[in-house]
Amino acid sequence: EVQLLESGGGVVQPGGSLRLSCAASGFTFSTYAMTWVRQTPGKGLEWVSSIGGGGGVTYYADSVKGRFTISRDNSKNTLYLQMNSLRAEDTAVYYCAKGKGMTTSGWFFDYWGQGTLVTVSS
Amino acid sequence: QSVLTQPPSVSGAPGQRVTISCTGYSSNIGAGYDVHWYQQLPGTAPKLLIYDNSNRPSGVPDRFSGSKSGSSASLAITGLQAEDEADYHCQSYDSSLSGWVFGAGTKLTVL
Repeated sequence: EVQLLESGGGVVQPGGSLRLSCAASGFTFSTYAMTWVRQTPGKGLEWVSSIGGGGGVTYYADSVKGRFTISRDNSKNTLYLQMNSLRAEDTAVYYCAKGKGMTTSGWFFDYWGQGTLVTVSS
Repeated sequence: QSVLTQPPSVSGAPGQRVTISCTGYSSNIGAGYDVHWYQQLPGTAPKLLIYDNSNRPSGVPDRFSGSKSGSSASLAITGLQAEDEADYHCQSYDSSLSGWVFGAGTKLTVL
């Protein structure tokens, strides 16, 4: 059974940093791309960042480029999101999701974690 | 503002059929990129409902179906049940943004 368990969320002041983790199990982690998606309370989903199975290819939404860094440790089956220079508009529930698809542009997200809440506030 | 446009809400009585539209542009759905749908029950994480426009993952009832034409896609739900009350999100890829995009979500109310 595929399981994704996020951790690391919390309250941080504007300009601060936070690192999210996503522990994966139930599938061959290194074989699949992984993604972070966020959701502002009561609003829609927003793609944040993705990383290829080997970790060598990364993608970022313009809204987080230069501030967030996605990475993975395939030996620990864990996905990370380092978030720096946090802003109030980064406040959201952050989900990690397993990617699937025949091509990169065709990726969809077949399993999701339960999410971790990040609140940026002074 | 989301790149993909969905109606904020739809509703229907038990047993009825409803459709949810997802309208994009020439840089995403209109460019031929596939559309995927997710169901998000209240207080839970999204769950994959339809992938590659019209395919259902194992375990998803055949009451749910998807289609795509031109720059738009649709999710149809037949035989509405109370348990279908949820938010539904469409997703695709956008070549102008070089990233994956979602609709704002549609809240389905079962009357």
